[in-house]
Amino acid sequence: SQQGEEDPRALSIQEGENATMNCSYKTSINNLQWYRQNSGRGLVHLILIRSNEREKHSGRLRVTLDTSKKSSSLLITASRAADTASYFCATDASYSGAGSYQLTFGKGTKLSVIP
Amino acid sequence: EAGVAQSPRYKIIEKRQSVAFWCNPISGHATLYWYQQILGQGPKLLIQFQNNGVVDDSQLPKDRFSAERLKGVDSTLKIQPAKLEDSAVYLCASSFGDRVNRNNNEQFFGPGTRLTVL
Repeated sequence: SQQGEEDPRALSIQEGENATMNCSYKTSINNLQWYRQNSGRGLVHLILIRSNEREKHSGRLRVTLDTSKKSSSLLITASRAADTASYFCATDASYSGAGSYQLTFGKGTKLSVIP
Repeated sequence: EAGVAQSPRYKIIEKRQSVAFWCNPISGHATLYWYQQILGQGPKLLIQFQNNGVVDDSQLPKDRFSAERLKGVDSTLKIQPAKLEDSAVYLCASSFGDRVNRNNNEQFFGPGTRLTVL
């Protein structure tokens, strides 16, 4: 089953504007990750935020995490046409297996940046 | 560093036929995953390997899907017989499999195999 739910499911903005995507999840997590998927390609890891972190930056990306609300947001500043893609949040929930872990992905937000 | 390799990139088959997908993970990555991604949805984990052992296959439809990673490196995923609802992109991913630092396990994805079942 899918734990993360992104909102909105689709977002269209002009180049140069900021894009904000939200993710809500249901169970406690070890970390939350955001991935990008360009049309017809595999997923690319963008950023990981640990459960004890509240905010993290990477270039034009800013991720926040509120574990009390079980939610996260991804902000892309000064968007570019090349940012057009689907963005997925993925949660690493508690897993006591062989030391490896699983990610549960949401359905994604489809971002279109218009030049 | 070479990424995760998958083949074929595209496959079209008729229902009830069989199909196999191949994945070669990043060298040194102990953990390998197969995901199914249906159009408009996020990837769903089918099976997870740690070296050559299965960690989790709870979401693998075992009546028709099988997967193996015999030597702990590359892996194959097979569907036999295929159904219409199996049309999807099948993604392979690998991670280092760090048993100490759970936050050191970024997953690296291959380009996927797009399967169309007619």
